Amino acid sequence: NAGVTQTPKFQVLKTGQSMTLQCAQDMNHEYMSWYRQDPGMGLRLIHYSVGAGITDQGEVPNGYNVSRSTTEDFPLRLLSAAPSQTSVYFCASSYATGSGYTFGSGTRLTVV
Amino acid sequence: RKEVEQDPGPFNVPEGATVAFNCTYSNSASQSFFWYRQDCRKEPKLLMSVYSSGNEDGRFTAQLNRASQYISLLIRDSKLSDSATYLCVVMGAGSYQLTFGKGTKLSVIP
Repeated sequence: NAGVTQTPKFQVLKTGQSMTLQCAQDMNHEYMSWYRQDPGMGLRLIHYSVGAGITDQGEVPNGYNVSRSTTEDFPLRLLSAAPSQTSVYFCASSYATGSGYTFGSGTRLTVV
Repeated sequence: RKEVEQDPGPFNVPEGATVAFNCTYSNSASQSFFWYRQDCRKEPKLLMSVYSSGNEDGRFTAQLNRASQYISLLIRDSKLSDSATYLCVVMGAGSYQLTFGKGTKLSVIP
């Protein structure tokens, strides 16, 4: 039972490059979210999805895109990387509102 | 006022001690409440949900006071393995979004 799988675990990008952070879950969860965690800031919501084909913005969506073509996958795209996007990114999923979320192990991204 | 505020810590306690963490939230419509723990350079993991009636899981007890918009976590008989950052987390009514406190770091000392 893999849970929530994120790839890659580490990534270094140059300013202006684009990339996709992958997230997959095998628990048939409807709800999936992306968070970023920065020192002194706590976790902040970037985008979330309540099911396949449905996404919405969170607290800090600028510079990121998401799509949800299947229940299992919820990739996060950085359109043009900036140093301010240096962070640890966590994907999370849940089967229902009011239930706790299961987090992936994170992607540590550095933009130089 | 920040949406979810926690004791800044750090808390340094000896093994066997009892330690309490407090958390306040600003949105009175919040519906669901959780405590997560996060080990250094790891993902947050759900420790327990928090209910109005209070709930207990072994050495851990969580309390919710909706009138005061206050959440607490009590850890009894602290173990070295309890050393981590504890995150207070709130979800709004009809929302799928978690709002996190900044966390309180606990170090249990031999």
